[in-house]
Amino acid sequence: AQSVSQHNHHVILSEAASLELGCNYSYGGTVNLFWYVQYPGQHLQLLLKYFSGDPLVKGIKGFEAEFIKSKFSFNLRKPSVQWSDTAEYFCAVNGAGGYNKLIFGAGTRLAVHP
Amino acid sequence: GAVVSQHPSRVICKSGTSVKIECRSLDFQATTMFWYRQFPKKSLMLMATSNEGSKATYEQGVEKDKFLINHASLTLSTLTVTSAHPEDSSFYICSARPTSGRINEQFFGPGTRLTVL
Repeated sequence: AQSVSQHNHHVILSEAASLELGCNYSYGGTVNLFWYVQYPGQHLQLLLKYFSGDPLVKGIKGFEAEFIKSKFSFNLRKPSVQWSDTAEYFCAVNGAGGYNKLIFGAGTRLAVHP
Repeated sequence: GAVVSQHPSRVICKSGTSVKIECRSLDFQATTMFWYRQFPKKSLMLMATSNEGSKATYEQGVEKDKFLINHASLTLSTLTVTSAHPEDSSFYICSARPTSGRINEQFFGPGTRLTVL
């Protein structure tokens, strides 16, 4: 069955700490991978995406993610978080070609304390 | 670019009434739009895939007669919650996939919060 698993439901960090949010997926075939962010009271925004090529992708606001095919993982990282990174983060996957529905993980709620 | 709007942003209705939510792609055409439901502190659950000019495809467990979807043009899809009940209260989000250009991506609307009294 197609699924996305995010290991951490709730993460609390202090400013300047490093961040890594785990994401593993189960999907037959070639995939597209996404990380979305939802700031409080705002709509989903795309942080970064992986379609093919370099497995280390860089997104907006200093975020990056690494696709490790052998581990079916696409973990999100940021070396130094800011208070403004407080948000909910969703990992998502769909089949390559873009015509397949997105499967979302349960989300990780990140709280960054000043 | 690639902006999706939803209207209304919030709606409160009485039990038994119907509510229509609009999803518009403002600066691109979208053959396919998706409707999601998001429960508090939960992820997005895909309800249905809406294709312009054809019937929507509903996910398992979603009542098509209760959640009517119409995708009459390449920039507009509507979701009508019929005979709404308190358990239908939720945050409904649409997304749109461009017909050309960034076809591998979906662009999300800001969501509509429905409260059924």
